[in-house]
Amino acid sequence: EIVLTQSPGTLSLSPGERASLSCRASQSVSSSYLAWYQQKPGQAPRLLIYGASSRATGIPDRFSGSGSGTDFTLTINRLEPEDFAVYYCQQYGSSPITFGQGTRLEIK
Amino acid sequence: EVQLVQSGEEVKKPGESLKISCKGSGYSFTNYWIGWVRQMPGKGLEWMGIIYPGDSDTRYSPSVQGQVTISADKSISTAYLQWNSLKASDTAMYYCARHAGSGWYNWFDPWGQGTLVTVSS
Repeated sequence: EIVLTQSPGTLSLSPGERASLSCRASQSVSSSYLAWYQQKPGQAPRLLIYGASSRATGIPDRFSGSGSGTDFTLTINRLEPEDFAVYYCQQYGSSPITFGQGTRLEIK
Repeated sequence: EVQLVQSGEEVKKPGESLKISCKGSGYSFTNYWIGWVRQMPGKGLEWMGIIYPGDSDTRYSPSVQGQVTISADKSISTAYLQWNSLKASDTAMYYCARHAGSGWYNWFDPWGQGTLVTVSS
């Protein structure tokens, strides 16, 4: 099983700043089969990024994903108030599919 | 519009059985994997398992294997998650989610709205 470790656990930033969220895998993720999701309180997760770097439909271009192998990053430029939420990475290249434990992005 | 609509909130006692549902619409139900994801109170997302409604091929996470059953009825475009004997530790929000594409190597999109299951004596 591939274990995904996200860091930091909580990130405190102000609107307008840039956020950098890390997702590290215990072994290489096949073909960059990695996705990022955003979850707000009381809502289902929402797809942001798939294939490590492809933005999902309707996702603003301030969200970007990068990385390969075992190290992946979600970057959010110019944080907007609605971006403060919990973010999860997920690998779907090997079974069982696994999620990271999440990074909470909070307003400073 | 592709949509997954889940059944409503459930409150059960330990030892009771339960089957929750996830109805797909707006696409060919038999051609896409549908998975179940658990979120315990205040915790992260945990992949439980997945089913391909076309042939009922089902895979489980080792952590839930034997504890739940995933099934699908393609005649009514509905996937199910079932327990025979609930425990308090099954209290969680359960989401269904469809693979974005028709192959195995796919991310989840869209997601259902979630079904809250509370198990308490």
